[in-house]
Amino acid sequence: GAGVSQSPSNKVTEKGKDVELRCDPISGHTALYWYRQSLGQGLEFLIYFQGNSAPDKSGLPSDRFSAERTGGSVSTLTIQRTQQEDSAVYLCASSLGPGPRGYGYTFGSGTRLTVV
Amino acid sequence: GESVGLHLPTLSVQEGDNSIINCAYSNSASDYFIWYKQESGKGPQFIIDIRSNMDKRQGQRVTVLLNKTVKHLSLQIAATQPGDSAVYFCAEIGSSNDYKLSFGAGTTVTVRA
Repeated sequence: GAGVSQSPSNKVTEKGKDVELRCDPISGHTALYWYRQSLGQGLEFLIYFQGNSAPDKSGLPSDRFSAERTGGSVSTLTIQRTQQEDSAVYLCASSLGPGPRGYGYTFGSGTRLTVV
Repeated sequence: GESVGLHLPTLSVQEGDNSIINCAYSNSASDYFIWYKQESGKGPQFIIDIRSNMDKRQGQRVTVLLNKTVKHLSLQIAATQPGDSAVYFCAEIGSSNDYKLSFGAGTTVTVRA
């Protein structure tokens, strides 16, 4: 597609429920990233995919968070047993190669997650 | 409008004036920097980048200045327009990895008509 597409754009869930957030990167982009943006804060790195592999998962806050990528394209971020502190905007980005240097690191519009 | 030397979370500027947004970065090993603009309900949008072997780079109505001695980055916007109202973030990336951006806290710019 023309840009990075994320769905849903908004998600309200009850504490303790599981949620799945989806990211469709720009076609042909081999690298994909998830970031989290809490209210009024900068972006916090969560995970990096190169193809279907995740060489860096160091930003995932707890074992309740997991992510996968299939077919070198779509990625899903799953949060199990959601807590109120998980409320944030989850942003996905993709790039043609690893990182932003000349590879066009493009962000989607994010999924706003609210845990009530 | 200008946040002189310090990072300020908000900046109010009169339409047509120049804006200066400041950012202090943390990692002396960072060698690539990007300014992003984030409008409400959207993801960050690339504005301009600069490598550590440069101290100034100009784009359309924007200029980025890099002072590695004091680890300071600034974004200058000329003739600020209402469409420039947004949150602006600086981001850095280091030589230890090529993919993980570290973001500053952001400055909310409001343009007064």
